[in-house]
This record gives sequence, C-alpha cells and structure tokens, in this order.
Amino acid sequence: AQRVTQPEKLLSVFKGAPVELKCNYSYSGSPELFWYVQYSRQRLQLLLRHISRESIKGFTADLNKGETSFHLKKPFAQEEDSAMYYCALTAGSYQLTFGKGTKLSVIP
Amino acid sequence: SQTIHQWPATLVQPVGSPLSLECTVEGTSNPNLYWYRQAAGRGLQLLFYSVGIGQISSEVPQNLSASRPQDRQFILSSKKLLLSDSGFYLCAWSVGGYEQYFGPGTRLTVT
Repeated sequence: AQRVTQPEKLLSVFKGAPVELKCNYSYSGSPELFWYVQYSRQRLQLLLRHISRESIKGFTADLNKGETSFHLKKPFAQEEDSAMYYCALTAGSYQLTFGKGTKLSVIP
Repeated sequence: SQTIHQWPATLVQPVGSPLSLECTVEGTSNPNLYWYRQAAGRGLQLLFYSVGIGQISSEVPQNLSASRPQDRQFILSSKKLLLSDSGFYLCAWSVGGYEQYFGPGTRLTVT
C-alpha cells in the first residue's frame, strides 16, 4: 500500500526566506506525485505535478526516487504563499493518497 | 468550462438523524467522482469513489454510504448520524488523467 508522509504540521518562515515543504512517500512502483494547495477560504487546487516539471508561482518540486521524496521548494517566500499544502501520490489508479498536510505561514 | 457544486455549504444535524450531501459536476461527461473527508491534522481521507453510474467503491468501513444516480451527480448519505461523522466533506472529479478538481466542501456538525 502507498503512503505519503509530510513530517511538518506547521512551517513558519519570514518573507523573502527560502521555503522547503517536505514530502516522503512509500510505494514500490513508479508513482506520480502532486502538490495541492488550499488558500484561506478557497478550494483545494492542484499546484504542480512532477511529470510536467513546471514551476508554478515560483514553486518547484523534484522527484527523488532514491530518497523517495518530493519536496516543494521556493527560493523567496511571499505572504500570499501562506496556505495549507498537501502532497499526494497516485499509483496508476484513479485514487490519490494524500499526506496530512503542512500549514505554511509566511511572516511579513 | 467545467464546474463542481456541493450543497449545502454548512449543515448542523442531531445525532441519529439522516444525512444527504449532494455533488454535481457540469461541463464534462463520465467523470470519476470522489468523496473525501478533511480533518485538521489528519489530511484528506478518501471515503468513496465512482467510475460510472451505479458503481461505487468504498475505501473505509463507516457509517456513510454513497450513490451515483446520474452521470454527474454524486450523493453522500447516512441513515443515522454519529458524532464522529462531523467534519468537512469534499467532493472531487477527474477525467482521464490523475488531476482531481475539488468542490467548495460541506461543513457538517453533528450535535
């Protein structure tokens, strides 16, 4: 069975500081990984997926199969980045397995 | 464009009462549909998913059930609510790929 672990419930950083939200997964095959974000009073929405290798809102995430990680990074945090972030995995089916989420708070 | 609706937005129900939450999708055909429960500190838990009319898969044993009477309609129900059913319920849809699109959610409080 697959599992997604986000070790930090809450992460606070100052505006302009680098951000790294950690995500580790366990799955024996080749998963597809995602980051979802939920801003205050907004719907949960897709931020990025590893297969597209995009940079969205300055965020990037690299899949490291050796370390089974998919950490989300941004070089300079902005106040509008404050939100709840979820890492998710799919193992080739219709289902997504989500981590428990990390609340990012960017301090002005 | 595609949209997803959920109602009601909030609901307060007494223990032992029935429940019906509705989710509808517009602008797409034959979507995969999902019900999640979101709890603080526990993330999103997949409750049910459906790949077609009348086809429901349950992920966890629980007091809830789901039905899909029409292609773009997904209903979450209970005959008798428990206190532990309180939470934030999200409906989502996907087509083809793995990206899921979420509705605004329903906040259920069982008293």
